[in-house]
Order: sequence, then structure tokens, then C-alpha cells
Amino acid sequence: KAGVTQTPRYLIKTRGQQVTLSCSPISGHRSVSWYQQTPGQGLQFLFEYFSETQRNKGNFPGRFSGRQFSNSRSEMNVSTLELGDSALYLCASSLVLADEKLFFGSGTQLSVL
Amino acid sequence: ELKVEQNPLFLSMQEGKNYTIYCNYSTTSDRLYWYRQDPGKSLESLFVLLSNGAVKQEGRLMASLDTKARLSTLHITAAVHDLSATYFCAVVITGNQFYFGTGTSLTVIP
Repeated sequence: KAGVTQTPRYLIKTRGQQVTLSCSPISGHRSVSWYQQTPGQGLQFLFEYFSETQRNKGNFPGRFSGRQFSNSRSEMNVSTLELGDSALYLCASSLVLADEKLFFGSGTQLSVL
Repeated sequence: ELKVEQNPLFLSMQEGKNYTIYCNYSTTSDRLYWYRQDPGKSLESLFVLLSNGAVKQEGRLMASLDTKARLSTLHITAAVHDLSATYFCAVVITGNQFYFGTGTSLTVIP
């Protein structure tokens, strides 16, 4: 069974640009969440999607957005990139059960220059 | 806002020794998870604890949950080098939003 797949693995952008990250969940998983990981702030929740609808959103500016497609694949977009957006962006998928754990992808390492 | 604190942040221990990592959280929750992250890698699920008094064990690791004290522990028995990694606890209050702790970077020295 394939795991959570994130592309690209590495990305280098400059300030002001925008970026789109992609995530394919484990087959059968309908919930997809995104997390930002930085050395200073740790792991922070960005948002969660289920059945193409955003169910929860973390405390991030509107420059961070996402969407989910009918096949459960998800994309995350960051517009007007800032230096502080440099981070590892992790996608996680799960079954829609109350106690279900998250399965994480390998992440996209974004560097903003 | 929910706060999840782990201590210690850094732990260096000799092979064969025992130690405990602590995870405190600020709001009532009965769902707590432990994850492991190796350098440059993603997070791997270790334990899911769903009720007060829950105890789970896998190999040299044992996790427990005290929901009244809002405390979870990850106990390491007779550490080996392969356990070197960063360990995170995570708490869920509602829905599927995970609040992660600060992480504990464990180094096991031969």
C-alpha cells in the first residue's frame, strides 16, 4: 500500500513569488492535513480538508490556502512568499475515524531566498 | 489556545540506560499520540493513547496517559543507538487538528 506522496521534495523560490505543493494521500484516506515545520516554531497546523471541504484552519495568514480534489488529492498554495515561509511542509492523511492517527508524507522543503 | 510542552528538549543518554520523556498539555483531551522523526525524514506514528490510564508498549518504548494530570510519558528502557531521533507528542481536542509538542531530541551514546 503506497504511503502519502508529496511533490516536489525540494523547492527554492524568491520573495514575492507563489508556490503550489501537492499531496496524494493513502488510498482510501479522505482527510488530508497540512503542517508547517520550522526549527523555531515546531510543527504547526495549517488546515485540514475532508471531501473537498476545509474543516479546520490554523492560525496562518490568508496567503496560505489549500484545496482538495474529488480523488482526495490536495494542494497547498502560498502566495507572496516571505523569507519566514521557509520550512518543511508536511502533508498527512487519515481515515475519518475519531481515534485515527495521521500518516505523514516525506514533506516538501521550501527555501525562500 | 492549547499548549503542549515536552521535556526535556534535548536528551543525551548512554546505551543501556533508562529515561522518561514528559508531555504536558493545557486543555482536556483524551486523544494523545507519540511520533518519531529521524533527521531529514517524516514523522512515524509510535503510539495512540485514547483513554485515561492507557499504556502501550512496543519494544523498548512504553507510553502512558494520565488525562486528569494532562500528562503523558514515553519511557525508554535500556536505550540503544537506533532509538536516536526526535520524539513528538501530539494532542487532539476536536476534529482532526493535532497540536504537537516541542519535540525531544534524543541521542543515545554507545
